[in-house]
Amino acid sequence: NAGVTQTPKFQVLKTGQSMTLQCAQDMNHEYMSWYRQDPGMGLRLIHYSVGAGITDQGEVPNGYNVSRSTTEDFPLRLLSAAPSQTSVYFCASSYSWGGNEQYFGPGTRLTVT
Amino acid sequence: SQQGEEDPQALSIQEGENATMNCSYKTSINNLQWYRQNSGRGLVHLILIRSNEREKHSGRLRVTLDTSKKSSSLLITASRAADTASYFCATDAVNTGTASKLTFGTGTRLQVTL
Repeated sequence: NAGVTQTPKFQVLKTGQSMTLQCAQDMNHEYMSWYRQDPGMGLRLIHYSVGAGITDQGEVPNGYNVSRSTTEDFPLRLLSAAPSQTSVYFCASSYSWGGNEQYFGPGTRLTVT
Repeated sequence: SQQGEEDPQALSIQEGENATMNCSYKTSINNLQWYRQNSGRGLVHLILIRSNEREKHSGRLRVTLDTSKKSSSLLITASRAADTASYFCATDAVNTGTASKLTFGTGTRLQVTL
């Protein structure tokens, strides 16, 4: 199993540009989530999904959209990038939405200039 | 808002010594989890302890949970240089009617020197 994969690994955007961060898992996990990690802030939940077609907001959802058309994929869209979105983004998945251990991808380091 | 806060923020020890990190949280939880993050990598799950458990072991790791004090500790015994990483606690708060959402603390950076 590849586990949780994320692309790209690095990305530089100009303010106002849009882009999609890709996340895929091959473990047939129900639950997928996106976090951002900023220095000194730990990880903060952006959006999550408990299954195909079902998404919900986390702690810091503004400026981001998600969709879950398949069990495997959970892309994160930045609608109009801002310097405040400079961060490292992690996708994670777990077997179910009931508080189980989460498996993390390697992360995408995004810089917005 | 941060549910879990780790203490200390940074810890430097020599190989072979034990390392203890603490986590405090604010609201009632279903479970508490500890994760490790090596520099520039994703997080790796270490151990999960449920609210009705007080202690759990996994290899050189020992986790305790005190729900009355809303705190947990992670003990790494006989540390190795490979244990150098950041360690995060994450809480799954009691939240009726919605899916579980982990809330992470700010982490403890552990440096193990030879």
